[in-house]
This record gives sequence, C-alpha cells and structure tokens, in this order.
Amino acid sequence: GAVVSQHPSWVICKSGTSVKIECRSLDFQATTMFWYRQFPKQSLMLMATSNEGSKATYEQGVEKDKFLINHASLTLSTLTVTSAHPEDSSFYICSAVGGSLLWGSTDTQYFGPGTRLTVL
Amino acid sequence: GENVEQHPSTLSVQEGDSAVIKCTYSDSASNYFPWYKQELGKRPQLIIDIRSNVGEKKDQRIAVTLNKTAKHFSLHITETQPEDSAVYFCAASPNDMRFGAGTRLTVKP
Repeated sequence: GAVVSQHPSWVICKSGTSVKIECRSLDFQATTMFWYRQFPKQSLMLMATSNEGSKATYEQGVEKDKFLINHASLTLSTLTVTSAHPEDSSFYICSAVGGSLLWGSTDTQYFGPGTRLTVL
Repeated sequence: GENVEQHPSTLSVQEGDSAVIKCTYSDSASNYFPWYKQELGKRPQLIIDIRSNVGEKKDQRIAVTLNKTAKHFSLHITETQPEDSAVYFCAASPNDMRFGAGTRLTVKP
C-alpha cells in the first residue's frame, strides 16, 4: 500500500527557533498533501492544503507566516514552524493523496506517522 | 464549510458485543466518508470508507452505512475484540477532509 514517511518523528527545541518537518510519499506521487495538528485527546485539525508547485491554502486562523509550507516536488512537502513557542507544541501529521481534487473527486488520504514537537 | 459531529465521545463494550459510532455532516457536497482508527501516539489508519453512491459497505467485522438524505453515517463493529480498543474518527470530504471529534472505544475482555 501507499507509504508516507515523516521526519523527524519527534523534536525538542528552544522557544524562538525554527523547526522543519518533512513529509514524503515513498511509493506514489502525491499531487496534494495536507498538514494537520493534533492536541492531546483531540481530533485532527486541518492546517493547510499543499499542492505541488503552488502556494499552500491555509485554514482560517492558521498563520501562514508562522507555518511555512513548501511542496517542491510530487513526493515531498515540508512544514516549517518559525519562531516556535511553547503553544506550538503539538503532534503534527501530514497526509498525501495521489489523485486530483480539481473536480471535487477525493482519493484516500494516507497519513504519515506524525511528528511530536515540544517547544521549551 | 463542512462540519462533522461524532457521537459518542466514549464507548465501552464487552468483548463480543457490537459497537456503533455515529457521525453527521453538514455539507451536501461531501461525497467521501472514511473512518480512521488511531492508537495512542500513532498515525490514523484507514479502516473503511464509503462513497456517496453507496449506502452500505462491509469488510469482515466492520461495516459503514450512509444516509445522504439525513446526512449521517455510522460505523458498526461486530464481535468486538480488545484490540479494537482505540480512538475512531469519522471524516467527510467534499474536498478537504474534516474530522469528527473522535470516539474512544474500550473493549473489555
């Protein structure tokens, strides 16, 4: 089946530093990748939708200058948390789909293993 | 945008009993409804999904039903086992996936 990897699996950083999280589709080309964050015992909250070669679409309330998303290739998307603060500590999960969403069609999302970010 | 509500938030059943989790959605354009199982600290795993042109789908002990008119869909797990214990999320998607709040299922041996 489709495999999505995420790196790193966990990271601890100091407040004010930036952290980059990579999401890779290993055996398929992902035209679209999604970034979610999940607080303990809560559901996944969509942060942004990333299409290869174009700017990410951010959900309302998500600061695009703080959460920089780059989808440079069909197999790689990165999320950079800039100037991280303790309130950014969370579980960040990416997912990837291989189909096209242009006409409202939806393909199965395959999730990465997640990245646990702790900001001290 | 889409809004998904999920009930119950917690569910405890005895091994061998059935478990039912229900979700409602708001966007009539939603056409894809997956269910995910998430164990503590791990990624969500797709367990079953249904598209809007189908009313019911079954895969061994798991089944999903969809009522488009009422905008609700349900997950049914029969003959539950302790390893079914996890958090289950429903989702609905016109384009971007919107998740329910989750149901923590505990199966007691």
